[in-house]
Amino acid sequence: EMQLVESGGGLVKPGGSLRLSCAASGFTFSSRAMNWVRQAPGKGLEWVSSISSRGSSIYYADSVKGRFNISRDNAKNLLFLQMNSLRAEDTAVYYCARGPYGDYIYWFDPWGQGTRVTVSS
Amino acid sequence: SYELTQPPSVSVSSGQTANITCSGDNLGDKYACWYQQRPGQSPVLVIYQDTRRPSGIPERFSGSNSGNTATLTISGTQAMDEADYYCQAWDSSSHIVFGGGTKLTVL
Repeated sequence: EMQLVESGGGLVKPGGSLRLSCAASGFTFSSRAMNWVRQAPGKGLEWVSSISSRGSSIYYADSVKGRFNISRDNAKNLLFLQMNSLRAEDTAVYYCARGPYGDYIYWFDPWGQGTRVTVSS
Repeated sequence: SYELTQPPSVSVSSGQTANITCSGDNLGDKYACWYQQRPGQSPVLVIYQDTRRPSGIPERFSGSNSGNTATLTISGTQAMDEADYYCQAWDSSSHIVFGGGTKLTVL
């Protein structure tokens, strides 16, 4: 069974940093693009970042560019999101999600259960 | 940047057909997909590549995409279909774009 399990969320002060992790199992992690999507409280879904299967291509939403870094460890089936210079508007549940095949990111399936990030003083 | 527009809410009587629309410039030229998100749960893919259903998704879910509008159709809507639905597309400049979401209420 395919599974994605996020961790690393928590409460952080504005300007602080946090590193999220996503542990993948049940599929060949190294052959799929991976993605982060967030959802602010009571709001819709917002794409954050994507990384190709080998990490050679990386994309960010304008709202996080220059502050967030996506990376992956294919040997350990792990996806990461390093979040720096955090702002109140980064408060959200962060989901990791798998791309459909190869390095394409046309849709996401499955999604993890999410990890909550709260940025507040 | 590319934008997708959905109605905030749609209501449907139990057993009837619900149509949820998603509008964007030349959306028909892109792949559209749809996610269902029940309260407190993670999103689940219900339609991809405009019309295709992942395994395990009931046949009552179908999709179409032409011109500027993609549509998610739920036939014989059931109480368990009450959820938020999000459309999503890939754009070469904006990469991944989500619609604002539609809350489906089953009466």
